[in-house]
Amino acid sequence: DAGVIQSPRHEVTEMGQEVTLRCKLISGHNSLFWYRQTMMRGLELLIYFNNNVPIDDSGMPEDRFSAKMPNASFSTLKIQPSEPRDSAVYFCASSLLGALGETQYFGPGTRLLVL
Amino acid sequence: EDQVTQSPEALRLQEGESSSLNCSYTVSGLRGLFWYRQDPGKGPEFLFTLYSAGEEKEKERLKATLTKKESFLHITAPKPEDSATYLCAVQDSGYSTLTFGKGTMLLVSP
Repeated sequence: DAGVIQSPRHEVTEMGQEVTLRCKLISGHNSLFWYRQTMMRGLELLIYFNNNVPIDDSGMPEDRFSAKMPNASFSTLKIQPSEPRDSAVYFCASSLLGALGETQYFGPGTRLLVL
Repeated sequence: EDQVTQSPEALRLQEGESSSLNCSYTVSGLRGLFWYRQDPGKGPEFLFTLYSAGEEKEKERLKATLTKKESFLHITAPKPEDSATYLCAVQDSGYSTLTFGKGTMLLVSP
């Protein structure tokens, strides 16, 4: 089975531009988690969805960030407008909630650089 | 608030030199403790889940153990390919989210 798929793998943009990150869940999983990783703060949860519904978005840094899950297998994370401090690696993770352990499986990440 | 502290931040070993990584945690009720391995430029890769104190799990040269306050990842006779950052995370009872530590960067020299 294919794992979690993220695109693009790398993104370089200028401050003020809109950035859209994409994630495809593992087939059969029902939950998706968006994380941001930086050297200073480590891995931080931004938002998570269960059965396409946003459950906890308390980690979303500000209104410039938004996330959607238009169907059971796909999600987007949008930053508009982007700022240099948004530069980080963004991961999505997929899980089957309700299963023992509820292990999260991570994608390869999108490395974002905002100039 | 859940807290996870990993130590040391970095560890350098010679090939074959066994050691342990520590993960101390604070949760109101532990639902699960997770260990991940992360290679440079890649996403975290799942290694183990531990659920209750006294539990142990093994995979090749790695063994994870759990007490009520901490978990250890023991690395026996490591090889250079074990070099990576090892992340620990906890899941609090009643929640589906994970709280991660900042990781231990392990370098194994030949």
